Amino acid sequence: DAMVIQNPRYQVTQFGKPVTLSCSQTLNHNVMYWYQQKSSQAPKLLFHYYDKDFNNEADTPDNFQSRRPNTSFCFLDIRSPGLGDAAMYLCATSRDNQKETQYFGPGTRLLVL
Amino acid sequence: AQKVTQAQTEISVVEKEDVTLDCVYETRDTTYYLFWYKQPPSGELVFLIRRNSFDEQNEISGRYSWNFQKSTSSFNFTITASQVVDSAVYFCALSGLVEVNDMRFGAGTRLTVKP
Repeated sequence: DAMVIQNPRYQVTQFGKPVTLSCSQTLNHNVMYWYQQKSSQAPKLLFHYYDKDFNNEADTPDNFQSRRPNTSFCFLDIRSPGLGDAAMYLCATSRDNQKETQYFGPGTRLLVL
Repeated sequence: AQKVTQAQTEISVVEKEDVTLDCVYETRDTTYYLFWYKQPPSGELVFLIRRNSFDEQNEISGRYSWNFQKSTSSFNFTITASQVVDSAVYFCALSGLVEVNDMRFGAGTRLTVKP
């Protein structure tokens, strides 16, 4: 029944060690999003894919990259995680553009040691 | 610029009390969409409702109801007869058509329902 799946749910990495978070969806939605959410804050959009078109938010650090090899999967790569990158990372999908509802996965909580 | 304000950072009520979560928004768009999401301790954002700017009809879904007032740019959320399971952070969000896929979240309101 799960529609937006994120793996792993918890990820521990070392300072500076690249890490990849994954997201998959069974909804066949065109748009996939990655959000960063720090403790007691609202989710912050990092970037999104409309189909294969990548859209980066202006203030997303270069340390964050994303790949969408097909409709179902999207990856978040953090090239050199810093302590400040410890957060919950949420993946979401929507059928079409921003007027559509976004459906979120359970999130991956990243810990940087 | 689009902006969502949830002035209530934290609310605590006793079970069975009614509680209203406030949401005030700003946008220059004439067409826009408003959302409420629930985030329980598990972390997943659960979609509750979506309204477009042309539909001011209030909505009721079980114990949940929403009051959309365009005149005051508010989209408030009321839980009737609250339950412990309602304890969560609730986010109001706004999406317009000026920028593609730009949805702005409010800061969230943490609701604690005590038994």
